[in-house]
Amino acid sequence: DGGITQSPKYLFRKEGQNVTLSCEQNLNHDAMYWYRQDPGQGLRLIYYSQIVNDFQKGDIAEGYSVSREKKESFPLTVTSAQKNPTAFYLCASSFSGQNTEAFFGQGTRLTVV
Amino acid sequence: GDSVTQMEGPVTLSEEAFLTINCTYTATGYPSLFWYVQYPGEGLQLLLKATKADDKGSNKGFEATYRKETTSFHLEKGSVQVSDSAVYFCALPSSGGYQKVTFGTGTKLQVIP
Repeated sequence: DGGITQSPKYLFRKEGQNVTLSCEQNLNHDAMYWYRQDPGQGLRLIYYSQIVNDFQKGDIAEGYSVSREKKESFPLTVTSAQKNPTAFYLCASSFSGQNTEAFFGQGTRLTVV
Repeated sequence: GDSVTQMEGPVTLSEEAFLTINCTYTATGYPSLFWYVQYPGEGLQLLLKATKADDKGSNKGFEATYRKETTSFHLEKGSVQVSDSAVYFCALPSSGGYQKVTFGTGTKLQVIP
């Protein structure tokens, strides 16, 4: 089945540690995105990538990094520079172009302990 | 810039009640409009969409009509069920050359038996 898979579903991190969230899609989508979701704030865009080996900062990129070495994969690293990393992280993908729907993964809930 | 304003939640309804969730938008041009649904602990799924003015999107008993004159895309359902309990997001793809989506803050719906 085609889809977009995020792992792990739950992740715990100690303060000062970097962690990497995985996102893989087999939908042959060119574009991939990372969003952060906090209660009452909707979704905020962290990074997005339109093609392999290229990505752009979204609205809240500070303290995060990404890579896009393969079309299918778009991992997100939450670095120790991110001051408030506890949140629900959503990965999405879509075909390029305007007005196309985005497909979302099941999300990763990151908690700093 | 593009923006989406959604009615505040949470909304609590009895089963079989009528649902309306308001959504208004500001955008350049005439983008498509989407409603996404997020069930507890999951990612977002596209519920319905409309691609041009006066279009009506529909799915699973939900409907929304793209009203250019009022810049609105209100979500309605004639008779809600307990299984409709979720968070609903109105969304607007950007008018730029890439697929960046602006989401509303989400409206939590709770349906009680």
